Amino acid sequence: NAGVTQTPKFQVLKTGQSMTLQCAQDMNHEYMSWYRQDPGMGLRLIHYSVGAGITDQGEVPNGYNVSRSTTEDFPLRLLSAAPSQTSVYFCASRQPGGETYEQYFGPGTRLTVT
Amino acid sequence: RKEVEQDPGPFNVPEGATVAFNCTYSNSASQSFFWYRQDCRKEPKLLMSVYSSGNEDGRFTAQLNRASQYISLLIRDSKLSDSATYLCVVNRDNQGGKLIFGQGTELSVKP
Repeated sequence: NAGVTQTPKFQVLKTGQSMTLQCAQDMNHEYMSWYRQDPGMGLRLIHYSVGAGITDQGEVPNGYNVSRSTTEDFPLRLLSAAPSQTSVYFCASRQPGGETYEQYFGPGTRLTVT
Repeated sequence: RKEVEQDPGPFNVPEGATVAFNCTYSNSASQSFFWYRQDCRKEPKLLMSVYSSGNEDGRFTAQLNRASQYISLLIRDSKLSDSATYLCVVNRDNQGGKLIFGQGTELSVKP
């Protein structure tokens, strides 16, 4: 199993450009999430999904869109990039349930918006 | 105020020391709790879940106090390899769709 994969690993955008960060998992997990991590802020939840066709907002959803058409894929779209979106983005997946279920993370996408 | 708050770091300790991290959460409906470890510029990985009765995994002990909305992690006999950032994580619902992370506490273990 590849686990959770993310592409690209690094990206530089100009202000106003749009792009999609890709995330895929091969563990048949129902739950998937997107986080951003900034220095001193920990991981903040952007959007999450509890199954194909179902998404919901996290702590910091503004400026981002998601969709979940399949169990495997959960892309994150930046509609009009802003310098404030410079961050490291992590995608994660897990099975539903309580403390017995680990959340697995992808390796991250490092995004810089100039 | 953040929903999950941790001790500010960094913690600098010698090898062999015992170190404790504290975490508080504000949502009393939170259902399950975890400690994750993150090495520099890498993805977080689960260190241990935190059970109501407290639990131990080798040198690591986690405690939960639901009345005080407080979680702790104790590391005994610190090793150089324990150097990392430790993240307190709270699950808002009983299925795990919405995990909320604290800002992390950095630990540096010195020879």
